[in-house]
Amino acid sequence: QSVLTQPPSVSGAPGQRVTISCTGSSSNIGAGYDIHWYRQLPGAAPKLLIYGTRSRPSGVPDRFSGSKSGTSASLTISELQAEDEANYYCQSYDISLSGGVFGEGTKVTVL
Amino acid sequence: EVRLVESGGGLVQPGGSLRLSCATSGFDFSSYDMNWVRQAPGKGLEAVAHISSDSATVYYADSVKGRFAISRDNGHSSVYLEMNDLRDEDAAMYYCARGGSRWSPFDYWGQGTLVTVSS
Repeated sequence: QSVLTQPPSVSGAPGQRVTISCTGSSSNIGAGYDIHWYRQLPGAAPKLLIYGTRSRPSGVPDRFSGSKSGTSASLTISELQAEDEANYYCQSYDISLSGGVFGEGTKVTVL
Repeated sequence: EVRLVESGGGLVQPGGSLRLSCATSGFDFSSYDMNWVRQAPGKGLEAVAHISSDSATVYYADSVKGRFAISRDNGHSSVYLEMNDLRDEDAAMYYCARGGSRWSPFDYWGQGTLVTVSS
């Protein structure tokens, strides 16, 4: 069981907005460590989507945004598109484990 | 262009050993920390090992501590994962990933190499 908790799945129609939560604790998100988000398409390696809680690497559309509050973080996909169907993972650093940790992943389905 | 290419995966019996390699190009390898991340079939991501740019600091997940060893060769721009006493639960796709520090994002990933543990 991961120290970062994500919902197993979220879904939405094309054009809708969906939000994926990532709940941690005072030893990771609550300790002030940044959150990073990755998208993994079927059969492919993960790809960095959001870093430093809210920054986007070059090439990532601004439909993707990140935020953090207390011991939780969120990834929001506005204007959902068919190609957004994928698994999404949050990542942070856990001071009690002295290492990076991932959430269990959330499958986004476009209805 | 940044490239990371893993190799060395395969079928191994329980209790056996494997050495994974990750050859990189397109960036100053000696300036970046490196990581190994694994993903069991149908499961999520697990960060298993981290090595600092100068090899001074290494980190292992509890699940592999004492059995796996990460190392690097800055002259050959490569990072390695020596895996011993392999167990059924070590079966996974193993990715190498570039990072800045243990709390930095993994900004580039390889395509992965598959490790199967079975008798």
